[in-house]
Amino acid sequence: QVQLVESGGGLVKPGGSLRLSCEVSGFTFSDYYMTWVRQAPGKGLEWVACISGRGGNIHYADSVKGRFTISRDNANNSLFLQMNTLRAEDTAVYYCARDGQWLIYWGQGTLVTVSS
Amino acid sequence: DIQMTQSPSSLSASVGDRVTISCRASQTITFYLNWYQQKPGKAPKLLIYSASTLQSGVPSRFSGSGSGTDFTLTISSLQPEDFATYYCQQSYSAPYTFGQGTKVEI
Repeated sequence: QVQLVESGGGLVKPGGSLRLSCEVSGFTFSDYYMTWVRQAPGKGLEWVACISGRGGNIHYADSVKGRFTISRDNANNSLFLQMNTLRAEDTAVYYCARDGQWLIYWGQGTLVTVSS
Repeated sequence: DIQMTQSPSSLSASVGDRVTISCRASQTITFYLNWYQQKPGKAPKLLIYSASTLQSGVPSRFSGSGSGTDFTLTISSLQPEDFATYYCQQSYSAPYTFGQGTKVEI
């Protein structure tokens, strides 16, 4: 069955960097867009970024553009989110999800806390 | 970017009630509108995509309607397991923004 497992979250200081990973199984990874969505504590969902199956089409939310980079390794069924120049407002649970336009499968999320 | 506005932000209802949640887009999104349900501590679950198509396995008491800028999620007879937060999302133009959520409470 389809599985998505995020990792890489943790505590980081403002201005620091973190790289999230999402390992997937149960489907042909390169056939699908992949998306990152985040949720700050007690807040709503925020769409972050998506990447096409071959990696040639990428979109970002304005709030992370220039600081975050989405990428993928189709040989190893993995999705990544490189987060630089982190701010307190980036504190959230980060979910990876399959597909671009509607998100059927989601991971369990990984918590990123940005605090000094 | 397209802004999505849900109303109400929260509502109180009882088991068996008919519940309606509205979602409005800041510009036309034709039928590219999705609805998700989220329970505390869990990942969101897709309920409806393309405004009115029920995702496989979702109970038929959930339905979606609308096009253009105005959309509605309806729960025909609220069940205990439906108490949750509901989000709309546009998938017409990236970034694929979410609404702020509607919490359905007892």
